[in-house]
This record gives sequence, C-alpha cells and structure tokens, in this order.
Amino acid sequence: GAGVSQSPRYKVAKRGQDVALRCDPISGHVSLFWYQQALGQGPEFLTYFQNEAQLDKSGLPSDRFFAERPEGSVSTLKIQRTQQEDSAVYLCASSRLGEQYFGPGTRLTVT
Amino acid sequence: AQSVTQPDIHITVSEGASLELRCNYSYGATPYLFWYVQSPGQGLQLLLKYFSGDTLVQGIKGFEAEFKRSQSSFNLRKPSVHWSDAAEYFCAVGNEKLTFGTGTRLTIIP
Repeated sequence: GAGVSQSPRYKVAKRGQDVALRCDPISGHVSLFWYQQALGQGPEFLTYFQNEAQLDKSGLPSDRFFAERPEGSVSTLKIQRTQQEDSAVYLCASSRLGEQYFGPGTRLTVT
Repeated sequence: AQSVTQPDIHITVSEGASLELRCNYSYGATPYLFWYVQSPGQGLQLLLKYFSGDTLVQGIKGFEAEFKRSQSSFNLRKPSVHWSDAAEYFCAVGNEKLTFGTGTRLTIIP
C-alpha cells in the first residue's frame, strides 16, 4: 500500500517568508508525528497528533512554528518568518501499533 | 529525560564481514527501542524494534539486535554485510515520541 507522502520534497525560501509543508499519512493511522533533522544529526521531535488533537508540541522551537491536522488525516507544518536556522529536513511519520513509518521528508533551505 | 548515544560516528567494514553498531540509551521505564536505516535522500526505514519479551530481536535485511538492560544497550548486528547496507543507521528510544541518536554512517569496502 501507499506509504507516507510529503510535499514539496524541496523548498527554498527567502528569509522572512512563510512556508507550509504537507504530510499525507498512511490511511487509517491515528497518530502523526513531525520531526526536524539538521544536517549530520538525528531527527528531533517537533509535535504529535492523535487524530485531530495535538497532544504534544513541546519540540516546536519557537512560536513561528505551527502544525495542524484539522480532519485527523493530512497534516500541515507551517513556519512563519523563516530564519536560516530553520534550514533542515522536516520528516513526517504516521504510526500503528507503536511503529512509526516515515515519509521521504521535505528539505527546506532558507537563503 | 530519555536519551540515546551512538558512540561511533563512522564505521567502515569490508563486504562479507560482520557488523556491530553500538547504541546506549537512558529511559525512565521499560524502553521501547528501535533501529532505523536512512539511505541518501530517503526517509527512515524501520529495521527492527524491541517492546518486551525475547531480548534478541530479528529484523529485516538480516539484521538483529540484542537488548541488554544491565548495560542499557541495544546493539545492532549483522553476520555478513552487503554493499547495499551502506547507509546511516539511527537508534531510537521512546513511547510515542522518539528520541534518536546522532547516527552511525556505515561504509562498505570491497
């Protein structure tokens, strides 16, 4: 079956622009996670949804970061007024029975 | 707080040789432990997991890992590596949100 998909795969933004990153989870997966992976590092947790409820947003680095999952399926991670330090790969994962399945990620470059 | 340490940043092994990648964790309760593999430009693929029960777990692609509570370790092993195993390997711990190590880059030489 189809895996987790993310779009766009690559995004270049000028500093100060807003961006929106989309995640389509595996159908039927209740839980959805966002992670940020800086170059040469492991992924770091950003936020987590169970259906449409955002249960944990402790990893969001600032109030410029906002995530939503209004109908309990597709999720969007929005970054306002992008900064150079936001450059990273943003990974989405959906989960079933404790196993997280990751999408290919969106590589964000802020210039 | 939960944490993961992967002491080896980069490992080089010959094709056909055995492999062991180290992982140490810190977690307040019985840990859920995972190994993921990431090839260039790809997302993370789950190799294997430990939730409970038998401490030696088998995964995909011929990998296995052993949970040792006394050493807080969950090392990944493979008896004979193939050139296609060259990738970045991440150990992770957590229930719901995962905490990852910094990864070990595996290079295979002929």
